[in-house]
Amino acid sequence: ETGVTQTPRHLVMGMTNKKSLKCEQHLGHNAMYWYKQSAKKPLELMFVYSLEERVENNSVPSRFSPECPNSSHLFLHLHTLQPEDSALYLCASSQKPEVPEQFFGPGTRLTVL
Amino acid sequence: GQNIDQPTEMTATEGAIVQINCTYQTSGFNGLFWYQQHAGEAPTFLSYNVLDGLEEKGRFSSFLSRSKGYSYLLLKELQMKDSASYLCAAMDSNYQLIWGAGTKLIIKP
Repeated sequence: ETGVTQTPRHLVMGMTNKKSLKCEQHLGHNAMYWYKQSAKKPLELMFVYSLEERVENNSVPSRFSPECPNSSHLFLHLHTLQPEDSALYLCASSQKPEVPEQFFGPGTRLTVL
Repeated sequence: GQNIDQPTEMTATEGAIVQINCTYQTSGFNGLFWYQQHAGEAPTFLSYNVLDGLEEKGRFSSFLSRSKGYSYLLLKELQMKDSASYLCAAMDSNYQLIWGAGTKLIIKP
């Protein structure tokens, strides 16, 4: 039990669909992250939230829209995605951005047709 | 720019020792991390170095040289369950992790 859960674990969607990824952490952390992991590429940081406020957006396309309603929950809303967006999307949390250790969820394997 | 380099794949024998190297270039530096990721699973934290030297934790050790922008992860007494990808990441001055692409370690009997 990592303390960070993600749903769904697998998602297949068409380019015109709208879907949302959910992340929940049970560790009492104040920072949460969305990463994209593509095969044989480094993890790409997409968004960082600290105390429910977005502190970093690494030039992510607007078809990805994050939402952090409270410090335990993080969503990634998806719309009009492209096939190249197919990847593993990982959520992570840490006590705060400055604390080095991040705890990862199991990820959502996304396939865009 | 910011960059992390590590080998793509390594092979080692059960019971042996393997060293996975990592070089980094970042804007500022707040530490070097190693994570383990088994296929289909989440990355899990292994080690954190911010000062020069060797940190030992059981069969795993991690080394850092800040002046050389270099780190390695040393795995001793290799077991089949150590087959995984090992991710090197450096934290920059904004406390963001810059990740390498990972080293896939294959353990053979």
